[in-house]
Amino acid sequence: GAGVSQSPSNKVTEKGKDVELRCDPISGHTALYWYRQRLGQGLEFLIYFQGNSAPDKSGLPSDRFSAERTGESVSTLTIQRTQQEDSAVYLCASSLAPGVSTDTQYFGPGTRLTVL
Amino acid sequence: AQSVTQLGSHVSVSEGALVLLRCNYSSSVPPYLFWYVQYPNQGLQLLLKYTTGATLVKGINGFEAEFKKSETSFHLTKPSAHMSDAAEYFCAVSEDSGYSTLTFGKGTMLLVSP
Repeated sequence: GAGVSQSPSNKVTEKGKDVELRCDPISGHTALYWYRQRLGQGLEFLIYFQGNSAPDKSGLPSDRFSAERTGESVSTLTIQRTQQEDSAVYLCASSLAPGVSTDTQYFGPGTRLTVL
Repeated sequence: AQSVTQLGSHVSVSEGALVLLRCNYSSSVPPYLFWYVQYPNQGLQLLLKYTTGATLVKGINGFEAEFKKSETSFHLTKPSAHMSDAAEYFCAVSEDSGYSTLTFGKGTMLLVSP
């Protein structure tokens, strides 16, 4: 596809369950970012992948959050033992040339996670 | 550390009126500045960005923004609002740290009335 895709679009889960969110970046984009958007808030950076470099995990809010990326393709964000405060829209973005001034992040439609 | 402040969580204008969405930033180094728009149930779409050069930046859909270093501002404007402009607008900043992690403001919802 032409854009960033994410699945599922909506996920409702019970407190304490684990969830996996998927992101398919634009083909050829070396950089991939995960953000969290809580109701009424801006986007919070979670994690960044660039090629085969070690990911920047500085934004992950707790050790219940983890993410993986295989090469320069799909990424999975996993939240273990979900809590109600994890309810948010999780957005994925990809970009072609991070660190270059003309680089632009392209965002997917997001996954809306609701923890009951 | 960088931060972004957007004044007003909601801005209401009439169709045809001037749109002004305010954004102030703090950054320890020359910033890159962005405006994104988010339509309901959609992802963020880039409206415009400032990197270097001309401080008045023109974007899509008739929007423009001016980088004012002395005021640490990057306000978004459009001369005449359309109903289709109703959406949430996010200002963001990044620093040239080797990659482009964005710090976002909390967003401003633009409401356009007939």
